[in-house]
Amino acid sequence: AQSVTQPDIHITVSEGASLELRCNYSYGATPYLFWYVQSPGQGLQLLLKYFSGDTLVQGIKGFEAEFKRSQSSFNLRKPSVHWSDAAEYFCAVKNSGTYKYIFGTGTRLKVLA
Amino acid sequence: DGGITQSPKYLFRKEGQNVTLSCEQNLNHDAMYWYRQDPGQGLRLIYYSQIVNDFQKGDIAEGYSVSREKKESFPLTVTSAQKNPTAFYLCASVLNQGTGELFFGEGSRLTVL
Repeated sequence: AQSVTQPDIHITVSEGASLELRCNYSYGATPYLFWYVQSPGQGLQLLLKYFSGDTLVQGIKGFEAEFKRSQSSFNLRKPSVHWSDAAEYFCAVKNSGTYKYIFGTGTRLKVLA
Repeated sequence: DGGITQSPKYLFRKEGQNVTLSCEQNLNHDAMYWYRQDPGQGLRLIYYSQIVNDFQKGDIAEGYSVSREKKESFPLTVTSAQKNPTAFYLCASVLNQGTGELFFGEGSRLTVL
């Protein structure tokens, strides 16, 4: 069965520091991969997505992610974190042949001033 | 502006009562979804619908029911059979099931008293 693992439940970084959030998926074929961000009490907003092509994907708010097939990973990165980036981040995967989107359990990011 | 509207934002219910959460979209999306979110568990799929008058159970459909009489509307009823209904509920939709990303509403928080 498809699954998505986000091994870090909480991450704390200082403002201006770099950030990497990990995401590993379990799926046989090439998946469709997504990163979403959620502020408390709000819905989810898409940061970026990967379907095919260039494995380095640029998203909104200065985020990027790299698809590594050999490691079954799709890690999210940002070179310099801003206090407004504090939120919860979800990785998701979808099989091209189904209608189901599978979400990870999320990583909560705290940013220190 | 196009989007997904969920109502109510907050809802309180006594045990044994059924409640219905509304989800309306004006994005002309074909597919709609309901997810349940609990702390530390990510998003879990309750039901999804690909077209009008058709819907499928997700991973945690027990105690929930849905209808899809109109393309833009996908209400979720939390029945008294749901043993632990207190949660944050998210509605989402997607235009193209092949490569599309989910768009989310702002969520509804249900609390059982």
